[in-house]
Amino acid sequence: DAKTTQPPSMDCAEGRAANLPCNHSTISGNEYVYWYRQIHSQGPQYIIHGLKNNETNEMASLIITEDRKSSTLILPHATLRDTAVYYCIVAGGGSQGNLIFGKGTKLSVKP
Amino acid sequence: GAVVSQHPSWVICKSGTSVKIECRSLDFQATTMFWYRQFPKQSLMLMATSNEGSKATYEQGVEKDKFLINHASLTLSTLTVTSAHPEDSSFYICSARPGGTGYNQPQHFGDGTRLSIL
Repeated sequence: DAKTTQPPSMDCAEGRAANLPCNHSTISGNEYVYWYRQIHSQGPQYIIHGLKNNETNEMASLIITEDRKSSTLILPHATLRDTAVYYCIVAGGGSQGNLIFGKGTKLSVKP
Repeated sequence: GAVVSQHPSWVICKSGTSVKIECRSLDFQATTMFWYRQFPKQSLMLMATSNEGSKATYEQGVEKDKFLINHASLTLSTLTVTSAHPEDSSFYICSARPGGTGYNQPQHFGDGTRLSIL
């Protein structure tokens, strides 16, 4: 079973920031938080990952709480092409880093 | 960088035939590759993990004699669905993790293979 909890769906207006929450209260000390997204009929796309510090790349920012029990993925200026299912996954620490996908959050960016 | 190519993109074949799907890491070496299956409106399910030069590790409930995995080089893994039947119709997706230290290297996914068995 997935070790994360995400809302099933969210809406966001085009051009606004999309903040996608994820709870991972049972995360282990050596597990990373990964974010992927899947656009319909394609393979998942890697977005960002982190251990305990906040991370930023050209796609998004990842904010991890100090206790590491939750995180937020931020898409700073959402576009229609960001409409996808977003998966928050914790992995690492001895199981070859296998990714166990939950149901994710269906983000709909609207004009 | 970190491109994973999967071939074919889609395949339709008759029941009873075998189908081979290739997964290649184009610009990095992958000591570990993963195979997933996704049914409509469901999430990805991990089928097996393959390590270059050794036998694959299958998840519980996945028949290793039906889903043959070969990871003969650091850039290529293949999945063969043997004696395919309509219930094997699904979206098969591979991923590869760059070699190196640590489990923090992210996996990169191919675009999937849509398999339809008539």
